[in-house]
Amino acid sequence: DTAVSQTPKYLVTQMGNDKSIKCEQNLGHDTMYWYKQDSKKFLKIMFSYNNKELIINETVPNRFSPKSPDKAHLNLHINSLELGDSAVYFCASSQDMGEYNEQFFGPGTRLTVL
Amino acid sequence: AQSVTQLDSQVPVFEEAPVELRCNYSSSVSVYLFWYVQYPNQGLQLLLKYLSGSTLVESINGFEAEFNKSQTSFHLRKPSVHISDTAEYFCAVHPYPGGGSNYKLTFGKGTLLTVNP
Repeated sequence: DTAVSQTPKYLVTQMGNDKSIKCEQNLGHDTMYWYKQDSKKFLKIMFSYNNKELIINETVPNRFSPKSPDKAHLNLHINSLELGDSAVYFCASSQDMGEYNEQFFGPGTRLTVL
Repeated sequence: AQSVTQLDSQVPVFEEAPVELRCNYSSSVSVYLFWYVQYPNQGLQLLLKYLSGSTLVESINGFEAEFNKSQTSFHLRKPSVHISDTAEYFCAVHPYPGGGSNYKLTFGKGTLLTVNP
């Protein structure tokens, strides 16, 4: 009955590799997000999608490419991984982007780049 | 743009003591206010929110927060904490609809509440 799920939970990889993190929500929400939480626990939005359309794209390197195949999924692909990409990545979803709607967060994916 | 300041990065307290976690914000537009909690190795959960109406909001597990517009604050309080309250607490703001490119949740840097026996 998980509302927002992410895979994998842990990801350890070498610098220069390409990796993907998957996110799925079964809440019927229209809007999905990716957040990055750094080693100091600071949490910042990276992207948001509404009905598969990119709405927010913060100043994220273009090595990061979100892809939304349908409203229930928002995947994050990262090319040429760097040490600084090590962080916990959280996916979230909300009903829509009209009046404020609560965002529901996934359990996070801890990415470690060696 | 919005910004959120949580003055205390760590707050250690003893079980059954009262606690206050401070949050101040800055915004050029009206905002909604939130507290999220992150238990160890878990995702974020919404603890409570202020959207409108009464400036004092409460959660089901005994936390409360009061919106003070003049001081641009939204401090979180609990009169008696339990060991299970040990977690990271994040204050966040979100602009009202029509907030333009800043229509997003902006988080503070978090306060680690550690409750000791």
